[in-house]
Amino acid sequence: QKEVEQDPGPLSVPEGAIVSLNCTYSNSAFQYFMWYRQYSRKGPELLMYTYSSGNKEDGRFTAQVDKSSKYISLFIRDSQPSDSATYLCAMSVSGAGSYQLTFGKGTKLSVIP
Amino acid sequence: GAVVSQHPSRVICKSGTSVKIECRSLDFQATTMFWYRQFPKQSLMLMATSNEGSKATYEQGVEKDKFLINHASLTLSTLTVTSAHPEDSSFYICSASVPTGYYGYTFGSGTRLTVV
Repeated sequence: QKEVEQDPGPLSVPEGAIVSLNCTYSNSAFQYFMWYRQYSRKGPELLMYTYSSGNKEDGRFTAQVDKSSKYISLFIRDSQPSDSATYLCAMSVSGAGSYQLTFGKGTKLSVIP
Repeated sequence: GAVVSQHPSRVICKSGTSVKIECRSLDFQATTMFWYRQFPKQSLMLMATSNEGSKATYEQGVEKDKFLINHASLTLSTLTVTSAHPEDSSFYICSASVPTGYYGYTFGSGTRLTVV
């Protein structure tokens, strides 16, 4: 079993839809959870960073962490064509110093106008 | 702030030659940089962790003599793919940890290497 599982999609939704992206993990030592967005042939950019279980909201994006289920989600409200990208979940056991990130495979999202 | 500049963005080289990829932190000092490799439709795979002034730490299965990493200053790390072969063709991405006031890592824009 891989440490981080993420459905690669592709996921196609109409503009304005609510998008739900998910990852599961097996390592209970993971404490820090991140979502990155990667446009084609570009490096990932950080979208959301969470530490504790619960929800964190930033504009149209909501990150949700359920440590008891080892399950994290990213919700995108009122999705836009510009949201079309690959979304990668990432996690680490530490949030300080030279910690390593473990990534999911990424979910490719297409928002159709 | 917290920008990492990676060059070149794309390179094509002949089999057997070496290619150097540069990763620079523009507005902060990066004590630690990471080098990743990404195949199509695959996740980022960590190749090595680069600490300024010391030898890089390579992940299992990554040949340190083939992928030479140098982190001679707090703003520059380089990855040299030596004696490149077609199977080394991939997307290489660097990232750096930002000392304060920022969570997660900031990534370079990546380098598409094609070995012909």
